Amino acid sequence: DTAVSQTPKYLVTQMGNDKSIKCEQNLGHDTMYWYKQDSKKFLKIMFSYNNKELIINETVPNRFSPKSPDKAHLNLHINSLELGDSAVYFCASSPIAGPYGYTFGSGTRLTVV
Amino acid sequence: QKEVEQNSGPLSVPEGAIASLNCTYSDRVSQSFFWYRQYSGKSPELIMSIYSNGDKEDGRFTAQLNKASQYVSLLIRDSQPSDSATYLCAVHPNAGGTSYGKLTFGQGTILTVHP
Repeated sequence: DTAVSQTPKYLVTQMGNDKSIKCEQNLGHDTMYWYKQDSKKFLKIMFSYNNKELIINETVPNRFSPKSPDKAHLNLHINSLELGDSAVYFCASSPIAGPYGYTFGSGTRLTVV
Repeated sequence: QKEVEQNSGPLSVPEGAIASLNCTYSDRVSQSFFWYRQYSGKSPELIMSIYSNGDKEDGRFTAQLNKASQYVSLLIRDSQPSDSATYLCAVHPNAGGTSYGKLTFGQGTILTVHP
């Protein structure tokens, strides 16, 4: 199936831990994104990579570090997790870095306790 | 002022009625507009995109864009209970430049279609 896939789907962890979320797309898209959706369903961009190059880096704490080993993969590593990091994190992709709609992954629900 | 603002909802309509969802945006040079549907616990799914002033129809969905008024709407005709979801308006800030495909989302409108 052509898709954007994320793992894990659920992540429950304690404050202070470090965790990673992985994303892969087989759509042949050049651009990938990380979005955070808070409890009020508001989606906010965090990062964007175009063909492995970081092109958008919003005001995100430097505890969050994205990595793109190739244009089909975009991972998100979070250090020293805080309660406020609890949210759903969505990976998405688009054909190129332009005015196009995204295809979203299924999301990772992160709960920090 | 929020960059993208949607009518707060929740919106409740009877089955078979027309549901009207509205969105305004603040960046006058925005060029591309999208509607996503998000079922509870699922990811957003692109249902409509519109780039030019006027109406664009796709099945029971019609997107309307008025750039002069900085307004975009989504009409759902013959609403069905399966249309019950959160609808997200998204705007691409400008035609290119440094926006690099960044979509700005509204806060969403919850639609409930009751039998």
